[in-house]
Amino acid sequence: GAGVSQSPRYKVAKRGQDVALRCDPISGHVSLFWYQQALGQGPEFLTYFQNEAQLDKSGLPSDRFFAERPEGSVSTLKIQRTQQEDSAVYLCASSLGPRLQETQYFGPGTRLLVL
Amino acid sequence: AQSVTQPDIHITVSEGASLELRCNYSYGATPYLFWYVQSPGQGLQLLLKYFSGDTLVQGIKGFEAEFKRSQSSFNLRKPSVHWSDAAEYFCAVMEYGNKLVFGAGTILRVKS
Repeated sequence: GAGVSQSPRYKVAKRGQDVALRCDPISGHVSLFWYQQALGQGPEFLTYFQNEAQLDKSGLPSDRFFAERPEGSVSTLKIQRTQQEDSAVYLCASSLGPRLQETQYFGPGTRLLVL
Repeated sequence: AQSVTQPDIHITVSEGASLELRCNYSYGATPYLFWYVQSPGQGLQLLLKYFSGDTLVQGIKGFEAEFKRSQSSFNLRKPSVHWSDAAEYFCAVMEYGNKLVFGAGTILRVKS
């Protein structure tokens, strides 16, 4: 596939469960971003990787959120002890290089519902 | 911190009519500005972007946007809307560190 893919597309979790969301960026893309989109809102930045290095995690809402990209390709966003306020669409984006002008290409998102 | 305001939550236009979606930003330096479109169940697709140079930017699907520094605006326009343009549109500014700051979005409805 040529685009960014995410799995699962939908996830229902009971409050207190741990979840893991996967992102496969476009092959060769150095930069990878995670965004959270609450219902009726625009996406909000969570974290940014350049290769395997997590350069910015300022948007992670709490220490229950953890992201990794160990080999500089696939990334996983993990949410521990999910809460109802974590319900949102989680979007992953990748860009070719680290330069400021690089276009970010978005995946379809994972819709998380916490009951 | 930068912010983006999209004053219109919903806009309804007739098919074939012209469209303008408003976007205002706050940023100290020359901004990098983007318009994305999101259809239901789909990811965000880039329509166009402005980095520098000509302030009128052409994008895909017949869209264009004009950067006006004096008004801190980057409004999106299309001369003739098609039913397939119904979607949600997001304006965004790129912050230092490559993160995008998005507006709340404008939902476009097209009536036939």
